[in-house]
Amino acid sequence: GQQVMQIPQYQHVQEGEDFTTYCNSSTTLSNIQWYKQRPGGHPVFLIQLVKSGEVKKQKRLTFQFGEAKKNSSLHITATQTTDVGTYFCARYNFNKFYFGSGTKLNVKP
Amino acid sequence: NAGVTQTPKFQVLKTGQSMTLQCAQDMNHEYMSWYRQDPGMGLRLIHYSVGAGITDQGEVPNGYNVSRSTTEDFPLRLLSAAPSQTSVYFCASRRQRVAGVTDTQYFGPGTRLTVL
Repeated sequence: GQQVMQIPQYQHVQEGEDFTTYCNSSTTLSNIQWYKQRPGGHPVFLIQLVKSGEVKKQKRLTFQFGEAKKNSSLHITATQTTDVGTYFCARYNFNKFYFGSGTKLNVKP
Repeated sequence: NAGVTQTPKFQVLKTGQSMTLQCAQDMNHEYMSWYRQDPGMGLRLIHYSVGAGITDQGEVPNGYNVSRSTTEDFPLRLLSAAPSQTSVYFCASRRQRVAGVTDTQYFGPGTRLTVL
């Protein structure tokens, strides 16, 4: 249906290692958004992808939208302890946002 | 700009009680929404509004009512609280969709509700 599937559910990395979370849909997405939620905090918007094959970068974060617009990924290069939190993808359709279940990232110093 | 504010931050209710969670935004956003967040399930849309006087249901509307009498406020009412409504509730707002403009949602700090 409208859900987006997100994997993995958890990821534990050593500081300095890379991290990737994936978001998949069975149907074509008009857009995909990514959010970060720190422990005990609220979701904070990171980015929106709209175009097929789009790649956007924010410092150490790289966001990709698949060519078929059915999947997306968020890659963090050389993780830092400040990257700790849960990363969510969300699709938007007819005034409604549908969130993935999130990937919880833990970074060991 | 205070952004999106929510009150209260914490609330404990007994089964069957009713209460209203408050949400306000000062960004003149047309679109406002309520989500609940349960462990391992991400955020699920309860109700949303695209402007004053207009509301609609999201994924999980049962047991909740909303109204939108002003642009700034979007309260969420629990009619008869149940333990299954124990959750963290987030309010969010954004500009109504404009072609070519990113649909950034701004979230409030959340209300942690426990129903005993």
